[in-house]
Amino acid sequence: GIQVEQSPPDLILQEGANSTLRCNFSDSVNNLQWFHQNPWGQLINLFYIPSGTKQNGRLSATTVATERYSLLYISSSQTTDSGVYFCAVPPYGGSQGNLIFGKGTKLSVKP
Amino acid sequence: DGGITQSPKYLFRKEGQNVTLSCEQNLNHDAMYWYRQDPGQGLRLIYYSQIVNDFQKGDIAEGYSVSREKKESFPLTVTSAQKNPTAFYLCASSLAGSFYNEQFFGPGTRLTVL
Repeated sequence: GIQVEQSPPDLILQEGANSTLRCNFSDSVNNLQWFHQNPWGQLINLFYIPSGTKQNGRLSATTVATERYSLLYISSSQTTDSGVYFCAVPPYGGSQGNLIFGKGTKLSVKP
Repeated sequence: DGGITQSPKYLFRKEGQNVTLSCEQNLNHDAMYWYRQDPGQGLRLIYYSQIVNDFQKGDIAEGYSVSREKKESFPLTVTSAQKNPTAFYLCASSLAGSFYNEQFFGPGTRLTVL
C-alpha cells in the first residue's frame, strides 16, 4: 500500500522563526490533508490540498502531486503552534474515503 | 453548531470487559470512520461506514465491532478479544465515502486497560 513519510520527526523553534515540514508519499494521490494535533489530542484540519498552493494566515501548503510531495510552511511561529502535524492521503485506487497517515512532525515552539 | 462529539473523554476498562465508545455527528455526513492512535504514531483505520446499515473492516479490525443504525451515530465496541486496547481512539466523518471528500475528526477517547 501507499507509504507516507514525514520529515523532520521533531522540530524545535524559537518563537518568531519560520519552518517547513515535508510529506512524501509513494504513489499517486487524489487528495491530501494536513492536520494539527493539539496537546489535548484534537485533530484540527489545516488544509485539504490535492495539488497547488493554499494559504491560511501564517500557514501555507503546497502539493506537487507529480513529484509526490507536499510542504507545510509555518511563518512567524507562535507557542500555540506547538503540537504534532500530520499529513494524510487516501490509499491509491481506494474508494472508501479513509486516510493513510504519516507518523507526524512534532513541533515545539519556545517563547 | 455542527461537529463531531465523542464520549467519554477518558475510559478505564478492566481486563475481560467490553466497552463501547460513542461517536455522534450532526454534519449530515454519510461516511464515518474509527481510527486508533498509539503513542508517537499516526492513525490507523479500524472500521468505516459509507452508509447506514453498512460497514467495512479497516486495517486493524480484530477485537473491535461497530454498528451503524443511524446516520448520525457510529459506536465502537472494544471487546475482550482486543489484546492491547490501551490507545487514543478518534472518530471521523466525511460528506461521502470518497477520496475526494475532506475528513473531519472528533476530540477522541482515551482508553486505558487496568
